[in-house]
Amino acid sequence: DAKTTQPPSMDCAEGRAANLPCNHSTISGNEYVYWYRQIHSQGPQYIIHGLKNNETNEMASLIITEDRKSSTLILPHATLRDTAVYYCIVYNQGGKLIFGQGTELSVKP
Amino acid sequence: DGGITQSPKYLFRKEGQNVTLSCEQNLNHDAMYWYRQDPGQGLRLIYYSQIVNDFQKGDIAEGYSVSREKKESFPLTVTSAQKNPTAFYLCASSWSVTRSNQPQHFGDGTRLSIL
Repeated sequence: DAKTTQPPSMDCAEGRAANLPCNHSTISGNEYVYWYRQIHSQGPQYIIHGLKNNETNEMASLIITEDRKSSTLILPHATLRDTAVYYCIVYNQGGKLIFGQGTELSVKP
Repeated sequence: DGGITQSPKYLFRKEGQNVTLSCEQNLNHDAMYWYRQDPGQGLRLIYYSQIVNDFQKGDIAEGYSVSREKKESFPLTVTSAQKNPTAFYLCASSWSVTRSNQPQHFGDGTRLSIL
């Protein structure tokens, strides 16, 4: 499985867009990019995933570069409830999601 | 609402005791998983199951056992052979182990501690 690199922490003002970067330079052609978040003492929450194209759902947008070596998760209007650890994961079947250290996002009023 | 229910939320184990963690899902998913999370660390896969009556060891299966008698249930037993059981245990489910475009959805976990 490809490894991912994320900044350990980020701050964002409430109501502004939060842009969380992820590098996955060794990603293979059939590996998907997944994003999860984990609020303290809760289970990870699935946010979004994609292969090549940009994706958007009710929670967030996922922008994947053309060479697929990096991606950005965008929370368009961050709220205090978005404060969490965000994990970028590269996955290709087999069942095992490999969670790295993630990015601790703090949304501040 | 569909989802994954883990119980209990908190569990305490005495030395030499086996304890069983419950995981139930009503998402009609075929695949189910158990992970362990230690403080400040990522998740590690304990066991997974693609279908009823079948399951596979993950990376850290020693000291744990599972069963899959029903599609919606995948209980995890932490045996006395697991010498360091204190951790946060997470159950997940998905449509398939082998399809990489199907996300896993997680329950809210069980926190196990040693008395």
